[in-house]
Amino acid sequence: NAGVTQTPKFRVLKTGQSMTLLCAQDMNHEYMYWYRQDPGMGLRLIHYSVGEGTTAKGEVPDGYNVSRLKKQNFLLGLESAAPSQTSVYFCASFYDGSTYNEQFFGPGTRLTVL
Amino acid sequence: ELKVEQNPLFLSMQEGKNYTIYCNYSTTSDRLYWYRQDPGKSLESLFVLLSNGAVKQEGRLMASLDTKARLSTLHITAAVHDLSATYFCAVDTNRDDKIIFGKGTRLHILP
Repeated sequence: NAGVTQTPKFRVLKTGQSMTLLCAQDMNHEYMYWYRQDPGMGLRLIHYSVGEGTTAKGEVPDGYNVSRLKKQNFLLGLESAAPSQTSVYFCASFYDGSTYNEQFFGPGTRLTVL
Repeated sequence: ELKVEQNPLFLSMQEGKNYTIYCNYSTTSDRLYWYRQDPGKSLESLFVLLSNGAVKQEGRLMASLDTKARLSTLHITAAVHDLSATYFCAVDTNRDDKIIFGKGTRLHILP
């Protein structure tokens, strides 16, 4: 099991460029989440999904779009990157059992927007 | 809207001492998580607390949850340098499936 993987690990963009971050999980989890981490701000929820074909806004959704066409993949898109989107992005999947649940995180993507 | 507050945000302590990190949240929830993050790394799950009065222990760390007070604590006993890291609590809102994080407590343990 690879768990949660993120592609790419690093990326540098120029202002106005677009890109897509890919999150993949092989644990058959229904729930998936995208967070961004900035110094002193903790992790802030961007968007999340409770199942294939569904998405919902989190705390800081502006400037991002997401898609969950397949259960195992959750894509985060930046249509026109801005320097304020320089951050480390973490994806997580979530196991929601009747007596136990847990969030599993990917290794992160470090994005710099110049 | 759910707010999650941790305090302190930064803690420097001597090896061998005890201390507690607090996590307060603003709306009803009975599911709370604690994570550890080392510099440049991803998050590692430490504890999952799923009911009022839940207590979990692993080594020198013990976490508890009081849903009535909307408070969780992470207690460190006889700290060692290896526990230096940033610790996050996160709260599951139940109602809309969001999982919201606190800002983290950066723990620095001096040898």
